[in-house]
Amino acid sequence: EDQVTQSPEALRLQEGESSSLNCSYTVSGLRGLFWYRQDPGKGPEFLFTLYSAGEEKEKERLKATLTKKESFLHITAPKPEDSATYLCAVHPMTTDSWGKFQFGAGTQVVVTP
Amino acid sequence: NAGVTQTPKFQVLKTGQSMTLQCAQDMNHNSMYWYRQDPGMGLRLIYYSASEGTTDKGEVPNGYNVSRLNKREFSLRLESAAPSQTSVYFCASSDLIRGRVNDDEAFFGQGTRLTVV
Repeated sequence: EDQVTQSPEALRLQEGESSSLNCSYTVSGLRGLFWYRQDPGKGPEFLFTLYSAGEEKEKERLKATLTKKESFLHITAPKPEDSATYLCAVHPMTTDSWGKFQFGAGTQVVVTP
Repeated sequence: NAGVTQTPKFQVLKTGQSMTLQCAQDMNHNSMYWYRQDPGMGLRLIYYSASEGTTDKGEVPNGYNVSRLNKREFSLRLESAAPSQTSVYFCASSDLIRGRVNDDEAFFGQGTRLTVV
């Protein structure tokens, strides 16, 4: 069964204290892995898509990487405005999984000044 | 450019009542989705529509029906609401097209907070 697990569940950081979030997945083939940011009371907002192992993408203080079993979202020198819940999702390769993205439970990040 | 618009934003229903959640997108996307989000469980797919006139069950379809009215609109109906359907519901759309890998990220609406008492 396809599964997406994010860790840790919650992360409290001091401003400037870099850290990494983990998304591990077990799927029968991977079409793509996605990272989203969700602020309280709002819908998820797209950050990155990764398609193959070894791929990396960056946006401001965020960098996403992908291996065959997991993805990391690195937050470098975070600021309070980086506080949010970060969601990971996978698009499995099987025929009957087309369009059926599977989400992890998310990591809630709080960055304090 | 409004993106994905959901109505209503909040709703309280009594057990057994019915209602329809509305969703519209203005990005000319082919694919549309309905998810529910519960604490500690992440987003779970209720239904997916690859194009106008087609729908497919997701992980948690029981108790729900959907209608892809046209390319823009995708509605979710609760025929007889139950307390277990208390949740936050999100509609999303993407330019996902079968056989093409890119442009498959989803754009989400602001959500509908539904409470069934």
